[in-house]
Amino acid sequence: AQSVTQPDIHITVSEGASLELRCNYSYGATPYLFWYVQSPGQGLQLLLKYFSGDTLVQGIKGFEAEFKRSQSSFNLRKPSVHWSDAAEYFCASPNDYKLSFGAGTTVTVRA
Amino acid sequence: EAQVTQNPRYLITVTGKKLTVTCSQNMNHEYMSWYRQDPGLGLRQIYYSMNVEVTDKGDVPEGYKVSRKEKRNFPLILESPSPNQTSLYFCATQDRGLAGELFFGEGSRLTVL
Repeated sequence: AQSVTQPDIHITVSEGASLELRCNYSYGATPYLFWYVQSPGQGLQLLLKYFSGDTLVQGIKGFEAEFKRSQSSFNLRKPSVHWSDAAEYFCASPNDYKLSFGAGTTVTVRA
Repeated sequence: EAQVTQNPRYLITVTGKKLTVTCSQNMNHEYMSWYRQDPGLGLRQIYYSMNVEVTDKGDVPEGYKVSRKEKRNFPLILESPSPNQTSLYFCATQDRGLAGELFFGEGSRLTVL
């Protein structure tokens, strides 16, 4: 079964600095991978997804993610963080008839 | 506007008092599911439904029931709630198999005393 792991529970970053959130997957074949964001008090919103092809995926809100098979990773990045990026971020992959989510990484943005 | 609507958004109840959390979608999606979110555990699937009258258990179905009598609605039923069901619940819909995007409701925060 396909699963994902997010090693970082909490990350604090300064506004304007770069951000990278880690996601590791476990699956032999090419996985489907997603990143979702949950703003405080809100549901989850899809940031980007990877199915195949170009390993660098562009998403909404200025985010991108790179699929690296050699490292079994699908890390999310943003070059310059805004205060509104403070949220919880989830990596996910399909598993049978559901999405399996990582435990999430909470991002705090300091002024 | 595409919407997944959950009600209630917030509820405090007592052990054993049956409750239902409703979920309604206007996107004509066949696939619907329920997740619960707990700190440090991410989201875990409770039940899912591939279509009307077709439902199946997810990872954590104990203590929950669902029904899918019509395409747009997928209520979550807690027949006898217990404190370990205190959680944040999300309903989600999907338009085309596992490759499709999940659309989430805004969540229902349930506290069982």
